Amino acid sequence: EIVLTQSPGTLSLSPGERATLSCRASQSVNYNYLAWFQQKPGQTPRLLIYGASSRATGIPDRFSGSGSGTDFTLTISRLEPEDLAVYYCQQYVTAPLTFGQGTKVEI
Amino acid sequence: EVQLVESGGGLVQPGGSLRLSCAASGFSFSTYYMHWVRQAPGEGLMWVSRINSDGGHTIFADSVKDRFTVSRDNEKSTMYLQMNSLRVEDTGVYYCARVDPRPGAWYFDLWGRGTLVTVSS
Repeated sequence: EIVLTQSPGTLSLSPGERATLSCRASQSVNYNYLAWFQQKPGQTPRLLIYGASSRATGIPDRFSGSGSGTDFTLTISRLEPEDLAVYYCQQYVTAPLTFGQGTKVEI
Repeated sequence: EVQLVESGGGLVQPGGSLRLSCAASGFSFSTYYMHWVRQAPGEGLMWVSRINSDGGHTIFADSVKDRFTVSRDNEKSTMYLQMNSLRVEDTGVYYCARVDPRPGAWYFDLWGRGTLVTVSS
């Protein structure tokens, strides 16, 4: 099983600041089959990034993903108040599919 | 509208059973793999199971294996999760999600709104 560890647990920033979220895998995520999801309070998870760096349809370009192998990063370049959410990384290369424990972004 | 709608959640006693449904609309359901993901109250996301496009192959998380089964009816564009021998730790919101089976596209690109399952005496 690939264990994903996200850091930090909570990120407190101001509007306009840059947010950098980390996701580290216990073994290599082949083909960069890693996704990022945003879950706002009381809402369903929404796909932000797939393939480690490709933005999903309709996602603003202030969201970007990078990384490969075991280290991945989600960057929000200029925080907006509506970015308040928990962000999860997830690997989809091998079963069991696994999620990180989440990073809460407070604004 | 492209959407997934879960139903069938509720309160059940430990050891009981429940069947969840996931109704799809607005897309070609039979071409997609489908998954269940759950979220315990205040907790993160946990993958539960996957069924392939024709229903002939299923896989499960170890914590639910031998207790849960998943099936689908492509004529009705609906997936089902039969949950038996339920435990308190099975409590949570159950989401269904679709995955394009083409290589490189195995990410969850559409989620339902979820249905709450509460296992308690």
